[in-house]
Amino acid sequence: DTEVTQTPKHLVMGMTNKKSLKCEQHMGHRAMYWYKQKAKKPPELMFVYSYEKLSINESVPSRFSPECPNSSLLNLHLHALQPEDSALYLCASSQGGEGTEAFFGQGTRLTVV
Amino acid sequence: AQSVTQLGSHVSVSEGALVLLRCNYSSSVPPYLFWYVQYPNQGLQLLLKYTTGATLVKGINGFEAEFKKSETSFHLTKPSAHMSDAAEYFCAVTGYSTLTFGKGTMLLVSP
Repeated sequence: DTEVTQTPKHLVMGMTNKKSLKCEQHMGHRAMYWYKQKAKKPPELMFVYSYEKLSINESVPSRFSPECPNSSLLNLHLHALQPEDSALYLCASSQGGEGTEAFFGQGTRLTVV
Repeated sequence: AQSVTQLGSHVSVSEGALVLLRCNYSSSVPPYLFWYVQYPNQGLQLLLKYTTGATLVKGINGFEAEFKKSETSFHLTKPSAHMSDAAEYFCAVTGYSTLTFGKGTMLLVSP
């Protein structure tokens, strides 16, 4: 099983809403990632979890709050977002360590209205 | 610091023609290099990777890439394009922890 599963696939939320994005992998990977991708741009790293601990936060605004409840799950909690936060949010996982590839989920298409 | 540069934001080929997508890297340590493909509204799928060893790497869907240290390049090729190859292609480099992506190249395939 080389699958990373993200839910929901699409999400429309108002600027005062609170919502969560979910990501799950069962490959035994120890590193999990959140990326944000705007149209016609490469993915931009947001957060990295290694062994369930937050290891990298790329200066992401606090309206994005990651959580790693266990080694298979990764959440991204959203609150008070802005329209410019509309994007494709990608989750990925990897074995971690030198030179290992990342496996990506299908993404959540987020629209903030 | 590591980076990759993809030459050409768009590449157009005819079905059956050779596909060549260019990627040059910059790295202060031996690089690990990847090519990913992204279809519209989808996630990224790994096509192939170079870590160590053989410099010609074969991937899925008939793609291959050659690591050339002297040219700091990792170009992606496919002998014969298919309509289903139309997608965005990203070259990426990593050292220990995170991927650094190029800006991407959109491959357009015409009948």
